[in-house]
Amino acid sequence: EVLLVQSGAELKKPGESLRLSCRGSGYTFTSHWINWVRQLPGKGLEWMGRIDPRDSYTNYAPSFQGHVVFSVDKSISTAYLQWSSLQASDTAIYYCARRGEPCGGQTCYYTFDYWGQGTVVTVSS
Amino acid sequence: EIVLTQSPVTLSVSPGERATLSCRASQSVSDNFSWYQQKPGQAPRLLVFGASTRATGVPVRFSGSGSGTEFTLTISNLQSEDSALYYCQQHTNWPPSWTFGQGTKVEIK
Repeated sequence: EVLLVQSGAELKKPGESLRLSCRGSGYTFTSHWINWVRQLPGKGLEWMGRIDPRDSYTNYAPSFQGHVVFSVDKSISTAYLQWSSLQASDTAIYYCARRGEPCGGQTCYYTFDYWGQGTVVTVSS
Repeated sequence: EIVLTQSPVTLSVSPGERATLSCRASQSVSDNFSWYQQKPGQAPRLLVFGASTRATGVPVRFSGSGSGTEFTLTISNLQSEDSALYYCQQHTNWPPSWTFGQGTKVEIK
C-alpha cells in the first residue's frame, strides 16, 4: 500500500525556522516526484513546487521561489519542506503529493495520485 | 500562466440528482487534466485523470469530459457522501507546473 506520512502540527513564532517531513512507503521512493501543495485557511489548493528524489532537482512556483526549500533524504524515503524565517502568512495546511503516471487506455498522464494527510502550520506571535 | 476558473462556486443538489461542475482554462490545455475531491479535514483525493479516466476505486457515477479550454465533472445519482469540495487541475510539461481551480462546493439539499 502506497502511503505518504507527514509530520505533525506545528506552532511557531514569526522569524523562526521550520522543516516539515513527508515519508513515502509502499513504492520505490526515487521513482516518483514529490510535490508540495499549500492550502491557506478556508481557501483552495496552491502548487508550491516539486522535487525529484533521484537527483534532488527542484522546480518552484514563482510565488514560493526563494521563500521555501525542498530537499530529500533517499536513505529514509523522506522529503522535506523548509523555511528559514516564517511569516504569519505561512499559516496554512501543507500537503505532499506523489506525482504518479496512471494510464487510461494507451496513454499515461501525470497527476497527483497519492497525498499525505497534511501538516497544519500555525505562525503566531 | 494558465488560470483555471471553476463554476459554480457552490452547487446545491438533491440526492439522486445530477451535479455538473465546470472548469474553464484561460488558454487551451493538454488532456493532462485532473479532478480531485476534498472532504472537510481530509487530504484531496484523485477522482479523474487524463480529463476522463476514473482513478482506481472511484465510483462510476463520477465522470469527466472535455478538452481544450472547457472541462466538466459530472456526478450522477448524487449521494450524501459526495458532499465535498471539488478541484480541477491542469499540468504543463515543461517547465513542470500544476495549476488548480479555486474549487466548487457541492452541497446536498
